[in-house]
Amino acid sequence: DVVMTQTPVSLSVAIGQPASISCKSSQSLVGTSGKTYLNWLLQRPGQSPKRLIYLVSKLDSGIPDRFSGSGSETDFTLKISRVEADDLGVYYCLQGTHFPYTFGAGTKLELK
Amino acid sequence: VQLVESGGGLVQPGKSLKLSCSASGFTFSSYGMHWIRQAPGKGLDWVAYISSSSGTVYADAVKGRFTISRDNAKNTLYLQLNSLKSEDTAIYYCARSEGMRYWGQGVMVTVSS
Repeated sequence: DVVMTQTPVSLSVAIGQPASISCKSSQSLVGTSGKTYLNWLLQRPGQSPKRLIYLVSKLDSGIPDRFSGSGSETDFTLKISRVEADDLGVYYCLQGTHFPYTFGAGTKLELK
Repeated sequence: VQLVESGGGLVQPGKSLKLSCSASGFTFSSYGMHWIRQAPGKGLDWVAYISSSSGTVYADAVKGRFTISRDNAKNTLYLQLNSLKSEDTAIYYCARSEGMRYWGQGVMVTVSS
């Protein structure tokens, strides 16, 4: 199985400051189609997960451009340029290239 | 797009339960579907997948005990949970394929005597 190593476990950030989360996979996430199926999701307290980014760097509709995704092969990053209060929750990376699909363990974003 | 899970509850170890996920707002038969679960206070774990043509894949932890199925006429996804264990206690979510863009609200399954 592909292991997704997500860091840090928690992140304390002041409003208006940037944040960055890393996700490393144990093998390449480039699929046979040439696409890289790496997504980022946010789970706010008491809610279902919500997808923010798909295919490494594509923002879902309605997601502010404060969010950005980058990376390739086995090394990926989610960046928030300026954290807002609505960004708080747990962020997960998800690989959908290889079955079984696997998630990172999560990064809890809290306010400083 | 709307996904609504149902069928959860409290069940004794070794017993069975069947979850449903009612889909609307898209052509259900054209999409693969996933089940994902989240144990209390823990992260997300992928459970099973069924393709639009009803091919299936399972996580090792549930293989042989859980069965994913679909009824395209009813726009409904199912997960049959057999031989339940305490470690199956979790919120169970259904999600549409194509990158899990859409998720349901989840349904709680508690396995306890």
